[in-house]
Amino acid sequence: DSGVTQTPKHLITATGQRVTLRCSPRSGDLSVYWYQQSLDQGLQFLIHYYNGEERAKGNILERFSAQQFPDLHSELNLSSLELGDSALYFCASSVDPGLNNSPLHFGNGTRLTVT
Amino acid sequence: AQTVTQSQPEMSVQEAETVTLSCTYDTSENNYYLFWYKQPPSRQMILVIRQEAYKQQNATENRFSVNFQKAAKSFSLKISDSQLGDTAMYFCAFMKLRSGGADGLTFGKGTHLIIQP
Repeated sequence: DSGVTQTPKHLITATGQRVTLRCSPRSGDLSVYWYQQSLDQGLQFLIHYYNGEERAKGNILERFSAQQFPDLHSELNLSSLELGDSALYFCASSVDPGLNNSPLHFGNGTRLTVT
Repeated sequence: AQTVTQSQPEMSVQEAETVTLSCTYDTSENNYYLFWYKQPPSRQMILVIRQEAYKQQNATENRFSVNFQKAAKSFSLKISDSQLGDTAMYFCAFMKLRSGGADGLTFGKGTHLIIQP
């Protein structure tokens, strides 16, 4: 168990809808990263938050947004969903944004299916 | 932008054999980390080993070791005495370091490793 909790584990929704994925980092970790794993694109970095502030953006669509709350949990919001958004969404956390002697711990992911 | 290439989509070896997974990357950066992650059928992402680019010594973790060739931009993973539980997708990943934090990981497409009994 990595200590990173993602909910829900599975989500099935229709095109055009909006969903929210939630991530609770490991106790003491201030950094949260979101990744998308799809058959077409493989594993892609979406966004990184550190202690409530956005630190880096990857290949995140404009229809997607994220935030990190004062209690350090993070939410990834996906709107106007398309079939191609079906994927496994991972959250990962670490203590140090520079990863100096601080490994990245992944949650078990949320499987999103858009029908 | 960084790219990570894993040229072996799938490999299969017998239990107890040694196997090497290859990874090359392309970057103009000098400060970065390289990683190997394992993803078993459970889909969980598990860190296998990490290498800091400034370290010349190759990282080792029990049966897992890397051959890091910075000039050649090569980062291969060697698994000794392979076990059935090593069956998984293996991803090579790159992370650029910068002041104020780290960018996300750039992953390769993965190598599906199958350990045969």
